[in-house]
Amino acid sequence: QSALTQPPSASGSPGQSVTISCTGTSSDVGGYNYVSWYQQQPGKAPKLMIYEVRKRPSGVPDRFSGSKSGNTASLTVSGLQAEDEADYYCSSYAGSDNVVFGGGTKLTVL
Amino acid sequence: QLQLQESGPRLVKPSETLSLTCTVFGGSISSSHYYWGWIRQPPGTGLDWIGSIYYSGSTSYNPSLKSRVTISVDTSKNQFSLNLMSVTATDTAVYYCARLGGGVAPISKAFDFWGQGTLVTVSS
Repeated sequence: QSALTQPPSASGSPGQSVTISCTGTSSDVGGYNYVSWYQQQPGKAPKLMIYEVRKRPSGVPDRFSGSKSGNTASLTVSGLQAEDEADYYCSSYAGSDNVVFGGGTKLTVL
Repeated sequence: QLQLQESGPRLVKPSETLSLTCTVFGGSISSSHYYWGWIRQPPGTGLDWIGSIYYSGSTSYNPSLKSRVTISVDTSKNQFSLNLMSVTATDTAVYYCARLGGGVAPISKAFDFWGQGTLVTVSS
């Protein structure tokens, strides 16, 4: 299984919206509604932000939203805040209890 | 609140076996709704799924590591463990353990609780 493809970087100004893409195949992203997104601050463990494509765990602001079309999933952060600056990773179920991650996107708040 | 904690040697010599244990606090590892996984992150790079285990002992592994990896579970100690054989410098990474929801869990097929991670360095 190959890693999912994410852009290495993304950026936006405070208050703006930014979207991060995550491209896989029909064997992972396109084949299941089990895409999740994680936020990782420097030196910290990843934190789950989105699961099952578009659902938010308790405590995650509704500024974070997820979607999927075909083999590509997306994470949108609306109303960017300085605290949103972090690395973001997508992940997908890939069948047979396998999991695959994306390469990560560094989000910069300008 | 569920907590996971990794433990084990921080320094491993090349060609030897890397061994880590994850202890689960505040919940049972024998829950039928969850799997338990290992994820690693080499310095400055992204996350890499190593494998997962169910409390029954059923496992799944990343195909790229499958020949060198064994994950086991000890329900009596509420722990699960990782063994990675024949390590090289490329296995140097922060190793995380995490809980993975099964298909009927409230949060399915996502890692919702993570340990703090432990840096393991492979060097002579």
